[in-house]
Amino acid sequence: ETGVTQTPRHLVMGMTNKKSLKCEQHLGHNAMYWYKQSAKKPLELMFVYSLEERVENNSVPSRFSPECPNSSHLFLHLHTLQPEDSALYLCASSQYGQGNYGYTFGSGTRLTVV
Amino acid sequence: AQSVTQLDSQVPVFEEAPVELRCNYSSSVSVYLFWYVQYPNQGLQLLLKYLSGSTLVKGINGFEAEFNKSQTSFHLRKPSVHISDTAEYFCAVTSQGGSEKLVFGKGTKLTVNP
Repeated sequence: ETGVTQTPRHLVMGMTNKKSLKCEQHLGHNAMYWYKQSAKKPLELMFVYSLEERVENNSVPSRFSPECPNSSHLFLHLHTLQPEDSALYLCASSQYGQGNYGYTFGSGTRLTVV
Repeated sequence: AQSVTQLDSQVPVFEEAPVELRCNYSSSVSVYLFWYVQYPNQGLQLLLKYLSGSTLVKGINGFEAEFNKSQTSFHLRKPSVHISDTAEYFCAVTSQGGSEKLVFGKGTKLTVNP
């Protein structure tokens, strides 16, 4: 596989469930990102990992918990979500130190909280 | 810090008509500029980027963009659009040699009608 792969593509979960989103990049990048994209709202940067360390957390509620076990994998653990958390969650990767290449995005996970 | 303004949230056009999607940015330092496209239920795909050199940048699918430093703009153009160009388009900026965080505009929804 090439590029950035996100699984699952679609997820429906109840407010009391615990689930995880997975992102894997095959580009040799060393930085990874989680974005939230809600209807009629701009892209929201949630978390940034560089060299496997979290370098940014944009005031995201604790019901979202990221994990980056290595430079190729990024997870977003979800628990006790609210209906307003329903959105498209996008993962991206980049090569830190080479900003001229931009980010490569995955296809996203469409999350619906019921 | 950088910011991006996409002046039009929605742009409807007829097939085979020309289109221009506007983007203005704000930055106190030199920047790299990007345009991304997002088809329904997909992630963001890089269309083109400006790094340096020629101010006219050509990208995929027949799109091009012109960097205008004096007007701090990076407008996206296509001389003749197709139905398949219907998508959301995002302008983004990052500082050269800086934090490398990509700052996105709010997006422009392009709808191509037959």
